[in-house]
Amino acid sequence: DAGVTQTPRHEVAEKGQTIILKCEPVSGHNDLFWYRQTKIQGLELLSYFRSKSLMEDGGAFKDRFKAEMLNSSFSTLKIQPTEPKDSAVYLCASRQGQGDTGQLYFGEGSKLTVL
Amino acid sequence: GDSVTQTEGQVTVSESKSLIINCTYSATSIAYPNLFWYVRYPGEGLQLLLKVITAGQKGSSRGFEATYNKETTSFHLQKASVQESDSAVYYCALSDRGNNYAQGLTFGLGTRVSVFP
Repeated sequence: DAGVTQTPRHEVAEKGQTIILKCEPVSGHNDLFWYRQTKIQGLELLSYFRSKSLMEDGGAFKDRFKAEMLNSSFSTLKIQPTEPKDSAVYLCASRQGQGDTGQLYFGEGSKLTVL
Repeated sequence: GDSVTQTEGQVTVSESKSLIINCTYSATSIAYPNLFWYVRYPGEGLQLLLKVITAGQKGSSRGFEATYNKETTSFHLQKASVQESDSAVYYCALSDRGNNYAQGLTFGLGTRVSVFP
């Protein structure tokens, strides 16, 4: 089975641009997560979907970050407008859903650099 | 909220020596959380190393072990003899059953392990 697929692997953007990161979860998984990873803050939750419904929108990330689940096998994370402090690795993860141990399966990440 | 603390940000160790990475946790629910160690090898994605969902039990994988200690709220990762291929970043994490697994996993900041020959 294919794991979690994220594209692009690397993205360079100018300040103020709009970028869209994409994620395909493991087939059959009902839950999908977007995390931001930095050296200082570690992994921070941005969004959480259960069966395509948004369950958590990441609080402090609401203003310029918008995650969508277009169907059960595809999600996007839009950052608009980008700022240099958004430079980080963005991780997508999925899991089966309620009743499992909570284990997440991660993609390889999208590294964003904002100039 | 839930939290996970890894005290060492970076560890350097000689090949064939022992390694221990400390992890302590705090969970808000009254039930005990599920505990995980994830690892990121150079050039690869974050992947599960081992997990333990029952307090008092030990998990093991690839020569690594971790015991779920509810008294000290710890989940330290140990290996008796490391190899260069163990060089990676290791993350301790918890999933809060009492919160119905909402919020996904709570991660520590990670420990970068460098093994030199």
